[in-house]
Formats: sequence, structure tokens, C-alpha cells
Amino acid sequence: DTGVSQNPRHKITKRGQNVTFRCDPISEHNRLYWYRQTLGQGPEFLTYFQNEAQLEKSRLLSDRFSAERPKGSFSTLEIQRTEQGDSAMYLCASSTGLGMVPYEQYFGPGTRLTVT
Amino acid sequence: ILNVEQSPQSLHVQEGDSTNFTCSFPSSNFYALHWYRWETAKSPEALFVMTLNGDEKKKGRISATLNTKEGYSYLYIKGSQPEDSATYLCAFPITGANSKLTFGKGITLSVRP
Repeated sequence: DTGVSQNPRHKITKRGQNVTFRCDPISEHNRLYWYRQTLGQGPEFLTYFQNEAQLEKSRLLSDRFSAERPKGSFSTLEIQRTEQGDSAMYLCASSTGLGMVPYEQYFGPGTRLTVT
Repeated sequence: ILNVEQSPQSLHVQEGDSTNFTCSFPSSNFYALHWYRWETAKSPEALFVMTLNGDEKKKGRISATLNTKEGYSYLYIKGSQPEDSATYLCAFPITGANSKLTFGKGITLSVRP
């Protein structure tokens, strides 16, 4: 399967613990996006990369959140000192899009985080 | 704040019924309008990326239209089947054609056999 993959698919953690999620995009895609979806809402943007450069971070992303994309390949999203409000589905997407022609963003299956 | 609105929030139909959903988006600075289908436990799947006013796209029994001047798009499903049961999301890139997407809340469709 050459789609976007995310690991783990599910994570249950206790409040205060750190968690890290991984996203492997489609190999030739230079853009990688992270979104978060909570119950009853559509996905909300968190951050995105073009190759290894993090180009934008949402104001939703507190200092406890950090994302990396070393070498422009896979990406990790780390949440430090998790809070119950961090419980959500974390989605990763990748795209080949550059310039003025819009391209699809291809999504992974997400990581569901539950903070107890 | 730029919002994408979808209606209705949920829909329950009988197999064979045709359905349609509405997505409203800001008509200024339009780049594209995306439709996604998201089945439970699967990845959101791109259905259409629409760019031109008056555009109509079709994939099997699903079609979509776009009005960029008034800021809305319709998604139609002809002869709904149980496998069409999913959440349908529309999304709008805000700051460029390939920028971050702003999503609506989605419409949950349930098709009864």
C-alpha cells in the first residue's frame, strides 16, 4: 500500500504523559499537513511542512506541541504533558501541491488519542 | 474568521433514495473547494477538487456542482447504497491553492438497506 500511514492507530495515555505520533507520507509528496478532529467538528489545521521546513503553525498549537519532519520524509508530532482536552483524532495528510494549481491532500487513517 | 458551513448535519435515507448536501464557503479569494468522504475507521478519501465557477464533476453515482460567485457547492448522490454511509466533508484552502484546508463540520449520511 503506497498511501499515507500513521502510527500508532490508537493511543491511550494518562494525563501528564508525553506522546509521539508518526506519519509516513506518500513518498514523492513534498507537503505534509497535520490536522486534529474532535467530536462533532471537522478537522482543524495544526501545522504543515514543505519538505523539511515547517511553514505554518496554528494558534491551536500550544507550546506543548512540537512537530518535525527531518529530511523531508516522515514526520512526528509530539505532545508533552498531555491534557484531557488533547483527546482527539490526529490526522496527517500529504500533497504534491505547489503553486496555483490545487492538488488533493491524501489523508492517513489517523491516530486516535485518549487522555485519561 | 473564514467559515465553511455544511447542511444538513446528518441524514438518514432509505436505500435507493437520492440525496444532496450543501457546502457554503467564503466567495472572496477563492482557490478551490474540496469534497471528502470519510468512512468509519478509514482514511478520508478525496472525492473532488473543484476550481471553476459552474464546474460539475461526477464519479459514479456521486456528482458535485460549484458556484464560486455565491459561495456554495452541492454534492449529489443518486440512488444511495448502504456503502455510501459515511461522513462527507467539504474544505476550502484559505491562503493559497495548496495551503491549509478549513473544513466544515461534515454531514453524516446513513443509508438503510
